[in-house]
Amino acid sequence: DAMVIQNPRYQVTQFGKPVTLSCSQTLNHNVMYWYQQKSSQAPKLLFHYYDKDFNNEADTPDNFQSRRPNTSFCFLDIRSPGLGDAAMYLCATSTHTSGRQYFGPGTRLTVL
Amino acid sequence: AQSVSQHNHHVILSEAASLELGCNYSYGGTVNLFWYVQYPGQHLQLLLKYFSGDPLVKGIKGFEAEFIKSKFSFNLRKPSVQWSDTAEYFCAVSTTSGTYKYIFGTGTRLKVLA
Repeated sequence: DAMVIQNPRYQVTQFGKPVTLSCSQTLNHNVMYWYQQKSSQAPKLLFHYYDKDFNNEADTPDNFQSRRPNTSFCFLDIRSPGLGDAAMYLCATSTHTSGRQYFGPGTRLTVL
Repeated sequence: AQSVSQHNHHVILSEAASLELGCNYSYGGTVNLFWYVQYPGQHLQLLLKYFSGDPLVKGIKGFEAEFIKSKFSFNLRKPSVQWSDTAEYFCAVSTTSGTYKYIFGTGTRLKVLA
């Protein structure tokens, strides 16, 4: 089945230790998104790619970076995770024409 | 700035009760509207969407929503809830002007008592 896959599902890192989360899609969608979702809160958009064009949200900390080497893959790099970065990280995709987003299962990040 | 409001943060219902969850947005242009559901431990799934046409939209699992443009609202309804509807429900809005971004509401946590 075509889908959005996130690895790992659970990630534990230490304060300040860089971590990379990955997302892949078999939908061939041209737009990919990264969201941060904290407990009992709405998903918060960090950035999105339209093809290779990167779009950062104004309030996304510099600590968060992203890479999209090809259509299928997108990575979220957290350069120096703090305790406040512990959250669920969601990847989503869409076509520019549909507006509907397809979400992956998320990666739950714990920062010790 | 665009925003989406969900007025009910927590709702508790008994099985077979009717459900209505409110969603209001602020944006002066044309929008696409969505309701997503997140069951415990699962990913966000689309319940229904409105792009244009009939303002009463039917989705999966017996859910429906009505777009009332004059009220900037897109309320979610279900005539008779089941225990399995226990989940968190998010309203989302995207503009049609090419930014490809959702604005999510803060979510409503629904608990259905068996």
